[in-house]
Formats: sequence, structure tokens, C-alpha cells
Amino acid sequence: DIQMAQSPSTLSASVGDRVTITCRASQSISTWLAWFQQEPGKAPKLLIYKASNLQSGVPSRFSGSGSGTEFTLTISSLQPDDFATYYCQQYETLYTFGQGTKLEIK
Amino acid sequence: QVQLQESGPGLVKPSQTLSLTCTVSGDSISSGSYYWNWIRQPAGRGLEWVGRTHTRGSTNYHPSLKSRVTISLDTSKNQFSLKMSSVTAADTAVYYCARGGAEDYYHMDVWGKGTTVTVSS
Repeated sequence: DIQMAQSPSTLSASVGDRVTITCRASQSISTWLAWFQQEPGKAPKLLIYKASNLQSGVPSRFSGSGSGTEFTLTISSLQPDDFATYYCQQYETLYTFGQGTKLEIK
Repeated sequence: QVQLQESGPGLVKPSQTLSLTCTVSGDSISSGSYYWNWIRQPAGRGLEWVGRTHTRGSTNYHPSLKSRVTISLDTSKNQFSLKMSSVTAADTAVYYCARGGAEDYYHMDVWGKGTTVTVSS
């Protein structure tokens, strides 16, 4: 099984801040990685696919990078709607999610 | 656009079988090449992929659940379903269905809103 490890588990930040979330895979997954945003009580929403491709309709302040085993999600300037939980997911072999990063208001 | 909607009993007794259905609207479930997935999320915890079925009927399951899970397509109703046997309290979760690509792309791009299943006597 491919394991995914996200860090940090919790991140406190303010509106306007630039934040980065890291995801590490237990083995190389090339760029078969997606990022999702989940608000409380809602389904996950796809933000980024194939490590760095922005899903249609997602604001450009979201960006993804990485390949192999290390990946990052960056939000360039936090907006009030961005305080949510973020998950990475590998889909190189079946699917595995990271444990999530809760982005909180400082 | 394609939309997914989960349905099924919200309460299941321990040791019984959980049965959920995901209804696909906006396109035929048998058109194109897609994986139709089930994902679950216990309250306050992370996401766990349960399993998937391909448009042409092949299936894959999470290794820890494969002995208890069956996912199948019903193309006549434009639905796919999840059956999980011998449930325990640990299977209490919000269950989501989602579409994933299988040819031109491979990520999960469309999700249902989720349905809550509680396992309790």
C-alpha cells in the first residue's frame, strides 16, 4: 500500500497570509496526486490534480507542486473561505488520502 | 453536468449488511471510461477510500475491507451500489460516492454530498 503523510496536522494563519501544506508519499507516485478542500459538513472539493493542475473554477491563489514523493499545496493569500481542511490523495495505485491539514484562523 | 446522489438506510444494526446506492444524473453511467468510487469518513476523522467499479464492471477494494465489500453497477437505473457485510460500530461514517477518470484522466472530479450511516442496535 502507498501511504501518504501530510504536515502539519493543524495550521493557524491570518487572512492575507501565504501558507504551504506538505504531503509525502511512501514511494514514488510520479505526479499522480490531487488536493481537496473540505468544509465542515460538505463533500471534498477538488482543487488540484496531477500535482500542479488547477481544477476549473478554482481560484488562482491555489497552486500545487512536486513529483515523486514530495508535494506541496500553496495558498498565496488566504481568504476567509479558505479556512477548511485540506487532503492530499495519491492515485498512482488505487487511492490513498493523507490524514488532513486543518487550516484555522489565527 | 454530472451529479451524484447517495441514498440508503441511515441506521444499520451490528452484524447486518449496509447497502447504499449512488444515482448518477446528467450522463449515462455506462458512457465513457470511469471508475465509480465509494469513500467514507468517520465523524471528526479523515477520508478512507472503500472501493470502486469500472464502467465495464471490474472492481477494486481497499485491502482491509475487501472481504466484506461488494460494489456493483446497475446500468438500467444509472446507479452503482455498495454492500458491506458484518458491520460494526467502526463502520459508522459519512459515505460519499465519487467519479474518477480511467482513461483521459484519473483523478476524482465529481462527488456526491454524502450520506450518514450509523451502526447501532
